[in-house]
Amino acid sequence: AQSVTQLGSHVSVSEGALVLLRCNYSSSVPPYLFWYVQYPNQGLQLLLKYTSAATLVKGINGFEAEFKKSETSFHLTKPSAHMSDAAEYFCAVSVGGGKLIFGQGTELSVKP
Amino acid sequence: DTEVTQTPKHLVMGMTNKKSLKCEQHMGHRAMYWYKQKAKKPPELMFVYSYEKLSINESVPSRFSPECPNSSLLNLHLHALQPEDSALYLCASSPGGRETQYFGPGTRLLVL
Repeated sequence: AQSVTQLGSHVSVSEGALVLLRCNYSSSVPPYLFWYVQYPNQGLQLLLKYTSAATLVKGINGFEAEFKKSETSFHLTKPSAHMSDAAEYFCAVSVGGGKLIFGQGTELSVKP
Repeated sequence: DTEVTQTPKHLVMGMTNKKSLKCEQHMGHRAMYWYKQKAKKPPELMFVYSYEKLSINESVPSRFSPECPNSSLLNLHLHALQPEDSALYLCASSPGGRETQYFGPGTRLLVL
């Protein structure tokens, strides 16, 4: 069965520090993987996606993620956190038939 | 343009009311989705429409009734809701298959 695990329900970093949000997946087919960001009282916005092309994927707002098949991971990183990055982040795997399996989410806080 | 619009933004209704949520996309996407999201949780899939036909109903109570009048519009009719149905209702669309889902801003529903 397909699943997504996000390690850490809450991550706190200082402004300017590295952001690392962890995502591990389980998929019986080559995975399509996504990172979404959700700001308070808003919908989900696509940050980036992996669909079996380059393993290092660059997204919006300076975020990137690396697909590592051997580790079944798709961790999200940003070299330097900004106050505006504070939000909820969801990793998801597409399993076909229109179904997205979401992780439980990681809330990112950025301290001044 | 990757915009999905939803109306209304906020809705308060009593348990005996009938109301409808509306969703619209003009990206030519063939699949549209309704999700329910509780605070601090990932979205939960409710319904999937593919080519204007209901393809997935995730065992949603009959007090929620979806409708897809055409390829650009998706409605969710609400009747006799319970307070536990209070949540953020998100609409999404995608080209279909395992492709990216684009989310609307959501309707914040409060059932009294």
